[in-house]
Amino acid sequence: EAGVTQFPSHSVIEKGQTVTLRCDPISGHDNLYWYRRVMGKEIKFLLHFVKESKQDESGMPNNRFLAERTGGTYSTLKVQPAELEDSGVYFCASSQVRGWNTEAFFGQGTRLTVV
Amino acid sequence: AQSVAQPEDQVNVAEGNPLTVKCTYSVSGNPYLFWYVQYPNRGLQFLLKYITGDNLVKGSYGFEAEFNKSQTSFHLKKPSALVSDSALYFCAVVYGGSQGNLIFGKGTKLSVKP
Repeated sequence: EAGVTQFPSHSVIEKGQTVTLRCDPISGHDNLYWYRRVMGKEIKFLLHFVKESKQDESGMPNNRFLAERTGGTYSTLKVQPAELEDSGVYFCASSQVRGWNTEAFFGQGTRLTVV
Repeated sequence: AQSVAQPEDQVNVAEGNPLTVKCTYSVSGNPYLFWYVQYPNRGLQFLLKYITGDNLVKGSYGFEAEFNKSQTSFHLKKPSALVSDSALYFCAVVYGGSQGNLIFGKGTKLSVKP
């Protein structure tokens, strides 16, 4: 069974440019989460999808970030325009059932570097 | 505010020696506690969790962790470290029931030398 996959694995962009990160969850997993780790700091929650609906987007830092999950399958996270402080590793996770008493599976992350 | 603390940025251990990676938390209510590991160029991988029951939880790769409510700690341990255990370890907590948000600590880099 394929795990959670994220594309690209690494992206280097200039300040002001746009970047789109993609997450393919495990097939059949309705719950999809985005997290971000700024270098040396905690991994922080960004948002949670249940199928195509945003269940919780309280962690999204500002309106430069836009997440979508059309059709309830893969998800994209767009940063436009990117700023230096957006650099970090973006993780995606998926789970079949909502709630952390069941296991969520994480992708390998996308390392975003804004220069 | 709800938080998770990993007081050590790095832990160095000789192969074969016991290892401990520390974690304390500050949340209201009964927390769900987790340990995740990230090997180089890999995703976050679940190690173990505590929800309820026995305070000593056993997980993958010979790791275990002990929930200590009075000290609000959930330290990760292994009796005999392997070089292959070298990785980044994250403690995490869910508060407000199973459907709350997962809060991570900042991670501890474990280095096991031969």
